[in-house]
Amino acid sequence: EAGVAQSPRYKIIEKRQSVAFWCNPISGHATLYWYQQILGQGPKLLIQFQNNGVVDDSQLPKDRFSAERLKGVDSTLKIQPAKLEDSAVYLCASSLTLQGARNEQYFGPGTRLTVT
Amino acid sequence: AQTVTQSQPEMSVQEAETVTLSCTYDTSESDYYLFWYKQPPSRQMILVIRQEAYKQQNATENRFSVNFQKAAKSFSLKISDSQLGDAAMYFCAYRRRSGAGSYQLTFGKGTKLSVIP
Repeated sequence: EAGVAQSPRYKIIEKRQSVAFWCNPISGHATLYWYQQILGQGPKLLIQFQNNGVVDDSQLPKDRFSAERLKGVDSTLKIQPAKLEDSAVYLCASSLTLQGARNEQYFGPGTRLTVT
Repeated sequence: AQTVTQSQPEMSVQEAETVTLSCTYDTSESDYYLFWYKQPPSRQMILVIRQEAYKQQNATENRFSVNFQKAAKSFSLKISDSQLGDAAMYFCAYRRRSGAGSYQLTFGKGTKLSVIP
C-alpha cells in the first residue's frame, strides 16, 4: 500500500513570496490533515478535511494560508505572502475515517519550507 | 483545551539497555486515545504504540510498552533492549475518541532519544 505522498520535499523562498504544497493521501482515506511543525516543537494542526469538506480550520492563519481538497482526494496548501515565521515542516496526514478505531493517522514525509 | 507535556527534551540510552520517556497530559474528557510517535531524522513520523483510555491494561508492541496512569494523567513509554535504530524524536500525542468536531492530534514538544553504541 502506497503511503502519503507530498511534494516538494524542500522549498526555499523569500518573504512575501507565495508557495504551494501538494499532498496525495493513502487511497480510500476520507480524512486529510495538514500540520505545521516548527523546529523544536510538535506538529500543530492547521486544517482537517473530511472528503472535500472542512472539519476544522480554527488554527489556520486565514489571512495568508489557504487549503483546498476539491475532489476529496489530493489537497493543496498555499501560503501567500510568506513570512519568516512560516519556516517549518508542513506535514500531511490521512486516515480512513474521521473518528473511531480506524482513525489512525498516517503521515507523509513532509515539506521543509525555509523563508529568507 | 487539551495539552500534552514532555518534560525531557533529550534522553540517551546505552544500546541494549532500557529507557523510559515521560509524558503528562491535561484533558477534561474521559474517553480518548494516547499515542507515541517516532520521527527519525529527515524521515516521516510513524506510530509506535496506541493506548485507549477506557482500557486499564497497558499497551505493548514488541520492545515498546507504556505505563498509563489515567488518574495521574501520565503516559510514559518504555523501550527495552534499545537498538541504534530507535534513535529519533519521540512525540506523545492525545486525541479525543468520539463526538462532533475535530479529531486532531495534540502533540507534545518531543523528546530526542540518542542510542549510544
